[in-house]
Amino acid sequence: DQQVKQNSPSLSVQEGRISILNCDYTNSMFDYFLWYKKYPAEGPTFLISISSIKDKNEDGRFTVFLNKSAKHLSLHIVPSQPGDSAVYFCAASGDQGAQKLVFGQGTRLTINP
Amino acid sequence: DTAVSQTPKYLVTQMGNDKSIKCEQNLGHDTMYWYKQDSKKFLKIMFSYNNKELIINETVPNRFSPKSPDKAHLNLHINSLELGDSAVYFCASSQDGAANSPLHFGNGTRLTVT
Repeated sequence: DQQVKQNSPSLSVQEGRISILNCDYTNSMFDYFLWYKKYPAEGPTFLISISSIKDKNEDGRFTVFLNKSAKHLSLHIVPSQPGDSAVYFCAASGDQGAQKLVFGQGTRLTINP
Repeated sequence: DTAVSQTPKYLVTQMGNDKSIKCEQNLGHDTMYWYKQDSKKFLKIMFSYNNKELIINETVPNRFSPKSPDKAHLNLHINSLELGDSAVYFCASSQDGAANSPLHFGNGTRLTVT
């Protein structure tokens, strides 16, 4: 039973345009959400996060939106750059915090020049 | 100046063998983790340790035994390896176990059991 789902295994976007990556969750006890970025042969690196008391968090080109009623979050990257090509993982935590993060299966983003 | 380092990067071994993966972090973090990324690419928590104390053991077979000699190290020993253990294993650390304490991952160990 996968509690965090990223239904798009891959996404291709033209350089300069907006990339939108989506994530759905089923556990209503999740209250903190994070996005990680992973390059091949490397570990995931933290990108941006959002608490359930907010519906938007922005950091430079990256914005995360949270829709609690729909149990949905999305990551917007604008403008997309070639270096953004990577696998993006959505993750969620509940009362055990970072000690028990639940990850989605990732979306491979490819930015085309 | 690698923050979280794990060795080896690749591990190829036969069924039934025992192997270890080492992990060290130089970030001064209190909490360390082992994650497994399976063939379907899901990253799943196996263990989390806080200041050398086991906090989470996520229904992992007892063939897997983590050892934390100090809070900067969390090693993973696997006994009687099985084909299904083939995966990429990631070590990670965080400042503490709070939700807003992001994880820092190592680069992974690809384990192949033949």
